[in-house]
Amino acid sequence: AQSVTQLDSQVPVFEEAPVELRCNYSSSVSVYLFWYVQYPNQGLQLLLKYLSGSTLVESINGFEAEFNKSQTSFHLRKPSVHISDTAEYFCAVIREGGKLIFGQGTELSVKP
Amino acid sequence: GAGVSQSPSNKVTEKGKDVELRCDPISGHTALYWYRQSLGQGLEFLIYFQGNSAPDKSGLPSDRFSAERTGGSVSTLTIQRTQQEDSAVYLCASSGRLNTEAFFGQGTRLTVV
Repeated sequence: AQSVTQLDSQVPVFEEAPVELRCNYSSSVSVYLFWYVQYPNQGLQLLLKYLSGSTLVESINGFEAEFNKSQTSFHLRKPSVHISDTAEYFCAVIREGGKLIFGQGTELSVKP
Repeated sequence: GAGVSQSPSNKVTEKGKDVELRCDPISGHTALYWYRQSLGQGLEFLIYFQGNSAPDKSGLPSDRFSAERTGGSVSTLTIQRTQQEDSAVYLCASSGRLNTEAFFGQGTRLTVV
C-alpha cells in the first residue's frame, strides 16, 4: 500500500525567508507526485506535479519540488516567501491505476 | 461545466437524519473521488470510482456511508443516521483516465447538530 508522510504540521516563517516543506512517500511501484495548495477559505488547487522526465518541477509562483527516488521524497521549496503564500499545502501520490492519496498537510504561516 | 460542482455548499442536519451530497464532475472525466476534510485531520480518502470498474470503497469509515455514480457521471455520497463526528467538509474531485491531475470542487460543509 502506498502512503504519504508530511513531516511538519506547521511551518512558521518570516517574509522573504526560504522555506522547505517535507514530503516522503512509500510505494513499491512507480508513482506520480503532486503538491496541492489550499488558501484560506478556498478550495484545493494543484501547485505542481511530477509525472516523468526532469526530477525538478516548478510552479508559476516560484515554488519548486524535486523528486528523489532513492530517498522517496518530494520536498517543496521556495527561496523567498511572501505573505500571500500563507496556506495549507498537501503532498499527494498516485500509482498508475490507483487512487490519489494525500498527506496530513502542512500549514505554512508567513509573518511580516 | 467548467469545473467540479458540489451541492449543497453548506448543510446543517440533526443527529440521526440521513443526508445526500452531490458531485458533478468535469465532463468526460472517468475518475471520481470523495474525501473528507476535518479540522486538523488532513484529507481522508473515502471512495474512488474509475470508469466501469468496481469502486474502491476502502476508505468509507462505516456502513452508514455509501456512494454511487450514475451513468459514469454524477455521484451521490449518502450518510445515514448522521452523527456529530460526521461534521466535516466533504470534497469531490475528478480526473481523466490517466489520473495525471485531479480537480476539486469547493466542497460541502456538513454540520451535524
